[in-house]
Amino acid sequence: AQKVTQAQTEISVVEKEDVTLDCVYETRDTTYYLFWYKQPPSGELVFLIRRNSFDEQNEISGRYSWNFQKSTSSFNFTITASQVVDSAVYFCALSEALGGQNFVFGPGTRLSVLP
Amino acid sequence: GAVVSQHPSWVICKSGTSVKIECRSLDFQATTMFWYRQFPKQSLMLMATSNEGSKATYEQGVEKDKFLINHASLTLSTLTVTSAHPEDSSFYICSARSTGQSNSPLHFGNGTRLTVT
Repeated sequence: AQKVTQAQTEISVVEKEDVTLDCVYETRDTTYYLFWYKQPPSGELVFLIRRNSFDEQNEISGRYSWNFQKSTSSFNFTITASQVVDSAVYFCALSEALGGQNFVFGPGTRLSVLP
Repeated sequence: GAVVSQHPSWVICKSGTSVKIECRSLDFQATTMFWYRQFPKQSLMLMATSNEGSKATYEQGVEKDKFLINHASLTLSTLTVTSAHPEDSSFYICSARSTGQSNSPLHFGNGTRLTVT
């Protein structure tokens, strides 16, 4: 069975601090996709990144970076120099390679960035 | 980029009435759409998979007679909450993937906040 764990329920940081959101996943599939989504207070889900299981290269996009470690089944997300606008709930998700029916979300981490 | 439109954004209804939520893919065709429910401070839970031209597939524990799904075209899926009760109050989100691109990311609607009084 597929499962996504985000152990941090809530995190508070002060603006300009770096923060890392943890994500650990379980799957029996050899091919799978990992995602991060942002859900601001308005409710919509904003796609941040997708990573397939064969690509363990870390990725950086502006202040965002992702560390995919297949050996530890982790896909952590770091925000550098956090800003108030980063305050949101962040979801890590896992899907099988095809179809998308088994798209499983983690419980989410609520990030509050204080001015 | 691909956009999924969900309507209405919020709705308040009385207990016992039915509410219809629409999910449209605006610039792509979607053979399959997904409906999720999110209770306050919780994660998104898949309710059902909507298949164009055929019956929806419901997740375990989701009542198909209560949550009616219709996917009549490649760009529209509807979720009708029938005989709504206060416990149905939740945030409902749909998503869609472009047909023929099974590995493309899901695009989500902006969600519908349902409050049943």
